[in-house]
Amino acid sequence: AQSVTQPDIHITVSEGASLELRCNYSYGATPYLFWYVQSPGQGLQLLLKYFSGDTLVQGIKGFEAEFKRSQSSFNLRKPSVHWSDAAEYFCAVGVNNNNDMRFGAGTRLTVKP
Amino acid sequence: KAGVTQTPRYLIKTRGQQVTLSCSPISGHRSVSWYQQTPGQGLQFLFEYFSETQRNKGNFPGRFSGRQFSNSRSEMNVSTLELGDSALYLCASSLVAAANEKLFFGSGTQLSVL
Repeated sequence: AQSVTQPDIHITVSEGASLELRCNYSYGATPYLFWYVQSPGQGLQLLLKYFSGDTLVQGIKGFEAEFKRSQSSFNLRKPSVHWSDAAEYFCAVGVNNNNDMRFGAGTRLTVKP
Repeated sequence: KAGVTQTPRYLIKTRGQQVTLSCSPISGHRSVSWYQQTPGQGLQFLFEYFSETQRNKGNFPGRFSGRQFSNSRSEMNVSTLELGDSALYLCASSLVAAANEKLFFGSGTQLSVL
């Protein structure tokens, strides 16, 4: 069955430091992979997505993610974190050619001043 | 362009009651999906509608139902509410229904069942 694992429930980084959020997926074929961000009390906003081609994808707000098929991973990165990046981040995989998207449990990011 | 609008924003109900939540998608979007978000279970897919037809349904009991109107607006209904139905219900819209389609989410309806 398709599944998404985000191993880190909570991560704290200092403002200006680099960030990497981990995501591993289990899926038989080439997956459609997404990273969404959710601020408190809000819905989810798409940061970036991967379908095929270049395995390093650029997203909004300075985020990027790298697809590694050999490791079944799609980790999210940002070189320098801003206080406004504090939020919950969800990795997701699209399945079944519809909007039945499987989400990871999320990683809550805290940014220290 | 207005985003996805969900009403009401907050709702308090008691066990055994029923509730209807509303979602207005982005203009031009024909697909509407519903998700339940809880601290314990995370984000779980409820169902998806496209052109007034339910295309897919998640693993939820029959108490959870939905529909989509000709203007793409959607409603979901939960009957005989249980305490465990307390959650943030998120609606998402997209142009079409496809696994690679970007979803636009509303801010959700926070349902509390007492």
